[in-house]
Amino acid sequence: SQTIHQWPATLVQPVGSPLSLECTVEGTSNPNLYWYRQAAGRGLQLLFYSVGIGQISSEVPQNLSASRPQDRQFILSSKKLLLSDSGFYLCAWSPLAGLAASYEQYFGPGTRLTVT
Amino acid sequence: AQSVTQLGSHVSVSEGALVLLRCNYSSSVPPYLFWYVQYPNQGLQLLLKYTTGATLVKGINGFEAEFKKSETSFHLTKPSAHMSDAAEYFCAVSPRGYQKVTFGIGTKLQVIP
Repeated sequence: SQTIHQWPATLVQPVGSPLSLECTVEGTSNPNLYWYRQAAGRGLQLLFYSVGIGQISSEVPQNLSASRPQDRQFILSSKKLLLSDSGFYLCAWSPLAGLAASYEQYFGPGTRLTVT
Repeated sequence: AQSVTQLGSHVSVSEGALVLLRCNYSSSVPPYLFWYVQYPNQGLQLLLKYTTGATLVKGINGFEAEFKKSETSFHLTKPSAHMSDAAEYFCAVSPRGYQKVTFGIGTKLQVIP
């Protein structure tokens, strides 16, 4: 069966510091991968998605970036964190596109980031 | 473009009562529809999905949802609420052939003993 891991689970970082959040998927190949941010009362905001190694689409211009160095690894980064970067970050994967693909997504446990 | 509207950011029901969480969508092409549940400080878990075929979809934990094209709705129901159902529920839509999903803002369900 497939599993998705995220780490760290919680993180407290000062303003201006760098960020690196990691997500890995097991038990599947060539997944679509997604990064979301969740803020209280605002639902899920799609930040980045990837359909393959090195292929990243950005949804929201900001000081965050994403990379996919391996098929099942997705990394969210920042060079300098802002207070507004605080939130709950979720990684998700969906099965490889096909004729019957419905793109349901499977989520990791999330990372709670607090920028102080 | 697609969008999702969840009516009621907070819903309270008594234990044993009917649960009804409302979701309306807009999509320029026939959509796929999903309901997810999120417990505190956890990721989202897929409850059920509608892709094609039967419009009444059964999911996990006794939940079901009905796709009504004429009403552009996909409401989530459960006949009898349990304390363990207290969580946040998200409706989501994805146009067919499109790899991104748009989520609603979520509805927090409170179950009163």
